[in-house]
Amino acid sequence: NAGVTQTPKFQVLKTGQSMTLQCAQDMNHNSMYWYRQDPGMGLRLIYYSASEGTTDKGEVPNGYNVSRLNKREFSLRLESAAPSQTSVYFCASSTRTGYNEQFFGPGTRLTVL
Amino acid sequence: DAKTTQPPSMDCAEGRAANLPCNHSTISGNEYVYWYRQIHSQGPQYIIHGLKNNETNEMASLIITEDRKSSTLILPHATLRDTAVYYCIVRVAGGVDTGTASKLTFGTGTRLQVTL
Repeated sequence: NAGVTQTPKFQVLKTGQSMTLQCAQDMNHNSMYWYRQDPGMGLRLIYYSASEGTTDKGEVPNGYNVSRLNKREFSLRLESAAPSQTSVYFCASSTRTGYNEQFFGPGTRLTVL
Repeated sequence: DAKTTQPPSMDCAEGRAANLPCNHSTISGNEYVYWYRQIHSQGPQYIIHGLKNNETNEMASLIITEDRKSSTLILPHATLRDTAVYYCIVRVAGGVDTGTASKLTFGTGTRLQVTL
């Protein structure tokens, strides 16, 4: 049982390049989330998916798109990366019936030059 | 969601109890108190949650005041591995009734340093 996995672990992009961050969970959770964490800051919600087939914006969605590919997978896409998107990105999942107990992945460290 | 206030940092000697306070004076009747921690560079980890009764699990105890305006997370015997940032979050329960995901709002938390 791997929990929540994220790929890649590290990535360096040039301004304007695009990339997709992958997230998968094997806990049969309905809800999945993408957060970003800037140095010295708390986590901020980018997008979330309450259940398969639905996605909604969080606190800081600008510059990102998401796809809930199936129940297991939730990807985050940067279409045209900017230096302001340099951050650590965390994916999380929770049961629909869970009392806000979210399980987090190990994170992806993204640097945009 | 109710706003929470936590001290930015605290120190604790290894083996002693670590008591982390959280103020949530505007908490509503249907809001729970959740605690997460984040060990350096890792994803946050759920610790415990409660509504109004004190709660205990294998990791920690949660003491909520009778008026629910504040709470304390207690790590009974802190070790060096408990050095982390601890987040107190107040949130209504998501899930079955509302059909919504549980959107947590993380603040900046309390940085707990456990020392020898």
